[in-house]
Amino acid sequence: EAQVTQNPRYLITVTGKKLTVTCSQNMNHEYMSWYRQDPGLGLRQIYYSMNVEVTDKGDVPEGYKVSRKEKRNFPLILESPSPNQTSLYFCASSPAELAGYNEQFFGPGTRLTVL
Amino acid sequence: GDSVTQMEGPVTLSEEAFLTINCTYTATGYPSLFWYVQYPGEGLQLLLKATKADDKGSNKGFEATYRKETTSFHLEKGSVQVSDSAVYFCALSTGNQFYFGTGTSLTVIP
Repeated sequence: EAQVTQNPRYLITVTGKKLTVTCSQNMNHEYMSWYRQDPGLGLRQIYYSMNVEVTDKGDVPEGYKVSRKEKRNFPLILESPSPNQTSLYFCASSPAELAGYNEQFFGPGTRLTVL
Repeated sequence: GDSVTQMEGPVTLSEEAFLTINCTYTATGYPSLFWYVQYPGEGLQLLLKATKADDKGSNKGFEATYRKETTSFHLEKGSVQVSDSAVYFCALSTGNQFYFGTGTSLTVIP
């Protein structure tokens, strides 16, 4: 089944404790992206990647890191999480380097709480 | 910068009512426009899209027309069903970056 998977689905952590949220897709897509969803703010793009070893900042990259060492994986790293990073996070992928014309396929989401 | 302004909700309609959710945008260049739908507890799914002015996207009875003169991409459906209850997001892209609206929650009651 074609899908985007995220792990973990739920995470409660404390301020300053480094964490990684994994994202994997099995559709051989070039483009991958991370978003956060907050009430009243909709989805905001954190980082995106057009292909292996090619990443770029979205609208809200502060406090996050990403890497794209393999085509299928695009982990999101919070090196020192803070309470304002409590949010619902979505990973998405798309079948072209220029994703602007194409459908994005979203993962099920990761709900992160930082205490 | 680029942005999307979406009609605020929540919206509650009776089954078979007509639906309009307004979306306007600000963008440099020529964006592609999208409507995504999010069902409870799930990720977003593409509902429809339009990639140039005057294009009409349609899917599952929903329609939206890319209007460059009014910078709008309003979502419409002639007769909603209970199964259409969800959150709807308008979005734009001018390349590899995406900008989403705040979402409009729709509840359809029998």
